[in-house]
Amino acid sequence: EAGVAQSPRYKIIEKRQSVAFWCNPISGHATLYWYQQILGQGPKLLIQFQNNGVVDDSQLPKDRFSAERLKGVDSTLKIQPAKLEDSAVYLCASSLTGGGGDTQYFGPGTRLTVL
Amino acid sequence: GIQVEQSPPDLILQEGANSTLRCNFSDSVNNLQWFHQNPWGQLINLFYIPSGTKQNGRLSATTVATERYSLLYISSSQTTDSGVYFCAVINTGGFKTIFGAGTRLFVKA
Repeated sequence: EAGVAQSPRYKIIEKRQSVAFWCNPISGHATLYWYQQILGQGPKLLIQFQNNGVVDDSQLPKDRFSAERLKGVDSTLKIQPAKLEDSAVYLCASSLTGGGGDTQYFGPGTRLTVL
Repeated sequence: GIQVEQSPPDLILQEGANSTLRCNFSDSVNNLQWFHQNPWGQLINLFYIPSGTKQNGRLSATTVATERYSLLYISSSQTTDSGVYFCAVINTGGFKTIFGAGTRLFVKA
């Protein structure tokens, strides 16, 4: 079965520009997660979707970050405007059901550099 | 919120050696996973283990939920085992996944 797909793999932008990342989860997986991983740290959950709805976005900086999951499948994460401290790897993951009793599968990530 | 601590932070092994990585958590959990992040950044599931013991080849894991810790054992280490090992938990009744800071493993040939 195909894994979690993400694009682009790499992105370099200047501060104050906007950027968007795309994620396609494993087919049939109801729950989708976006994580931010800063160099040398563990991933931090930004937002979690169950089908179309948001389960948790408590750590999403909502003044500049937004995310949507249309039709309960693909998702996009946007940053506008970007800051230097947004330089990180953005990871997308999916799980069959969610709610804590499930295995999460990760995509390859998008490495963002903000200059 | 729940705290996750991993030890040791760094580990250097000679190929063929065994090791034990530890994950302590501060509250009850209904989900605990171990991941390996390879040098190219890909996170790979190793175990889903909120309690009990599991084995997969040279790797095994044990979670003692009542004492709030999990252990990952690597036997006969290989250079391809190098990378960062993460423990991630979801506390009972919650939804948010919390990762530890990881254990950075380097296996020398």
